[in-house]
Amino acid sequence: QKEVEQNSGPLSVPEGAIASLNCTYSDRGSQSFFWYRQYSGKSPELIMFIYSNGDKEDGRFTAQLNKASQYVSLLIRDSQPSDSATYLCALKGVWGKLIFGQGTELSVKP
Amino acid sequence: GEEVAQTPKHLVRGEGQKAKLYCAPIKGHSYVFWYQQVLKNEFKFLISFQNENVFDETGMPKERFSAKCLPNSPCSLEIQATKLEDSAVYFCASSSEAAGVAQPQHFGDGTRLSIL
Repeated sequence: QKEVEQNSGPLSVPEGAIASLNCTYSDRGSQSFFWYRQYSGKSPELIMFIYSNGDKEDGRFTAQLNKASQYVSLLIRDSQPSDSATYLCALKGVWGKLIFGQGTELSVKP
Repeated sequence: GEEVAQTPKHLVRGEGQKAKLYCAPIKGHSYVFWYQQVLKNEFKFLISFQNENVFDETGMPKERFSAKCLPNSPCSLEIQATKLEDSAVYFCASSSEAAGVAQPQHFGDGTRLSIL
């Protein structure tokens, strides 16, 4: 079992819809979780991080963390074509290194 | 500076040659992390530094890879005797803390290494 698992997609949603990206992790002791967006050929760009159970909202983005279920999600409201990218879920491992999932490719259709 | 600066953007080497990549962290950040992205999305941690000291080298291949962060110089990642499998994008990230839950890592634009 991989430490961080994501559906690789592609996930296709129409413009204006809610995109839901999911991530599960295996180490129950993990404390902090990060969502990065990566456009093709570019570097990962931090969207949000979360370390408390519950929801955290920032503009059109909401991160959700459920430590009991070992589950992290990212919701994107009012999806735009410019949101089309690969979304990487990562957790902070031992000594602070990031452990990434394989990424979910999101396509927002106009 | 305000961004993690990586050079060069693209590096082409023949198999067996040496490759050296550079990274300048965000000013004030004392932690530097190196990651390798092979294929499209698989990130692999290589090594991290706290200032000029190795912090975690558990991901570093022992034989051909080395890295340094010297005072007043960009950090460097060097690969000796490159192999085709070393072709990847190498990302550097920096942060003000390593293990703090609320301290994210900020990534540079990466160096695309192509081994021919």
